[in-house]
Amino acid sequence: DVVMTQSPLSLPVTLGQPASISCRSSQSLVYSDGNTYLIWFQQRPGQSPRRLIYKVSNRDSGVPDRFSGSGSGTDFTLKISRVEAEDVGVYYCMQDTHWPFTFGPGTKVDIK
Amino acid sequence: QVQLVESGGGVVQPGGSLRLSCAASGFTLSTYAMHWIRQAPGKGLEWVAFIRFDGTKKFYVDAVKGRFTISRDDSKNTLYLQMNSLRTEDTAVYYCANPTVVTPGTAYWGQGTLVTVSS
Repeated sequence: DVVMTQSPLSLPVTLGQPASISCRSSQSLVYSDGNTYLIWFQQRPGQSPRRLIYKVSNRDSGVPDRFSGSGSGTDFTLKISRVEAEDVGVYYCMQDTHWPFTFGPGTKVDIK
Repeated sequence: QVQLVESGGGVVQPGGSLRLSCAASGFTLSTYAMHWIRQAPGKGLEWVAFIRFDGTKKFYVDAVKGRFTISRDDSKNTLYLQMNSLRTEDTAVYYCANPTVVTPGTAYWGQGTLVTVSS
């Protein structure tokens, strides 16, 4: 199975400051069709997860443009340009290139 | 308004069975590949099972293979997860979702249903 790792696992941030989460996979996430299937989710406290980004860098409708995804191969990053209070929660990456699909352990973002 | 509503969770003894349901409204389930994803109390997310949009392919995580079965009733627009031979480590909130759709704004999650396996 593809192992997904995230760092850091805990990220205290200052409101208005940028934040960055790294996600790495144990093997390349490039699929045979040339696409890379890497998703980012946000889970706010007490809520279901919500997809933010799909195929590495495609932002979902309604997701603020302060969220951006980048990366390739085995190395990916989620960036928040200016953290707001509503961004508190746990962020997960998930690969949907190889079966079984696998999640990273999550990065908990809170306010300093 | 698009909604996914899970039901069927509860408390069951080890070795028992449960069938989870996920009723969709506002969209047609058979349009999308659908997944079950679980989250043990205080833990991270774990992908459990997948059914292709046309029902022709199903995949499972090794931990549930041979015990869980994913299915869909298009006439009821409902997704199911039949869970047999339940173990304590199956205790989790179970979500239905279609997180792998490659169209913006069409990835939906339910609110989850809690399954507790305990004697």
